[in-house]
Amino acid sequence: EPEVTQTPSHQVTQMGQEVILRCVPISNHLYFYWYRQILGQKVEFLVSFYNNEISEKSEIFDDQFSVERPDGSNFTLKIRSTKLEDSAMYFCAAGEQDRYEQYFGPGTRLTVT
Amino acid sequence: GQQVMQIPQYQHVQEGEDFTTYCNSSTTLSNIQWYKQRPGGHPVFLIQLVKSGEVKKQKRLTFQFGEAKKNSSLHITATQTTDVGTYFCAGPPLDTGNQFYFGTGTSLTVIP
Repeated sequence: EPEVTQTPSHQVTQMGQEVILRCVPISNHLYFYWYRQILGQKVEFLVSFYNNEISEKSEIFDDQFSVERPDGSNFTLKIRSTKLEDSAMYFCAAGEQDRYEQYFGPGTRLTVT
Repeated sequence: GQQVMQIPQYQHVQEGEDFTTYCNSSTTLSNIQWYKQRPGGHPVFLIQLVKSGEVKKQKRLTFQFGEAKKNSSLHITATQTTDVGTYFCAGPPLDTGNQFYFGTGTSLTVIP
């Protein structure tokens, strides 16, 4: 299976701090996604990204969040002023076609204290 | 808002028994995808169905997409311990862009 990588695997931060989660998608994939999964719950869509811009975002993805593809390979999710309820697993995913199968990275576990 | 519900939430079966999870969306979907997430792991794509009424098989797994493209099912025949995990359905609504809504998931435990 093609591999999406994410760093760090675990991030601990204090409430109010900013974090940047990084993803390296599969090289020939054009569609990128960020998801959040609170422990024991379902996977929640945050944002999709295509052609260097956001194509869709959920109501969860408010002004606290932003995404970038700064260098053509890395895909980042920035969370500003973190809150306790932002503690979750964050998954990056990539796909070759719009709305088709997605390959998930291993996730970053974010813990906000 | 868009909701995708799955039942049951949990299922314990003896190894060798069959298992079925049902997925119901509040709106029509463009396609339905199924993912498996092992404990502590990430979702792994299993299959995609696009056509109304479509049925696909992968070895012991059978997937169906409803006629109205609002529901789906996954059936596993003769479960094995390797089938343990949470099964999620997911799909984009027909009338929006590429948001993806995941179902609530069914956690399968297989007792050896």
